[in-house]
Amino acid sequence: DGGITQSPKYLFRKEGQNVTLSCEQNLNHDAMYWYRQDPGQGLRLIYYSQIVNDFQKGDIAEGYSVSREKKESFPLTVTSAQKNPTAFYLCASSMGRNNEKLFFGSGTQLSVL
Amino acid sequence: AQSVTQLDSQVPVFEEAPVELRCNYSSSVSVYLFWYVQYPNQGLQLLLKYLSGSTLVKGINGFEAEFNKSQTSFHLRKPSVHISDTAEYFCAVSGGRGYQKVTFGTGTKLQVIP
Repeated sequence: DGGITQSPKYLFRKEGQNVTLSCEQNLNHDAMYWYRQDPGQGLRLIYYSQIVNDFQKGDIAEGYSVSREKKESFPLTVTSAQKNPTAFYLCASSMGRNNEKLFFGSGTQLSVL
Repeated sequence: AQSVTQLDSQVPVFEEAPVELRCNYSSSVSVYLFWYVQYPNQGLQLLLKYLSGSTLVKGINGFEAEFNKSQTSFHLRKPSVHISDTAEYFCAVSGGRGYQKVTFGTGTKLQVIP
């Protein structure tokens, strides 16, 4: 089945620790995105990538980093600089430039110990 | 700049009753409009979208929405809800053709009461 796979489903971070969230897609989509979801705040864009080896900051990129070395993979690192990392993180992809439909993964819940 | 406003954070409704979830947007250019649904602990899936053409858009699970340019609204409606419709619904806007960022509203939780 084609789709987007996020792992792990639950992740815990200690103070001062960097953690990496995985996102893999087999839909052959060019564009990939990372969103952060907090209760009552909807989805906020962290980073996006329209093509391999290129990515752009979204609205809340501080404290996060990404890479796009392969078309199917777009991992997100939550660094120790992100002071409030507890949230539900969603990865998405879309087919082309017109952004007519986003396909979402099932999310990763990150919590701070 | 573009933005989306969903004024109702929660909407309780009895099973088999009609429902309307409100969405207003602002954008300086022509827009694409979307409604996504999120079931607990899952990602979002597309319910319906407006790109151009007919202002009444039909989606999955019996939902429909009407694009009203003069009122900058894109309200979601269903004539008769089921328990299985209990979920959170997000309205979203993007700036049209070519790559444009998708901006989401804060979501409306629909609670269907048996």
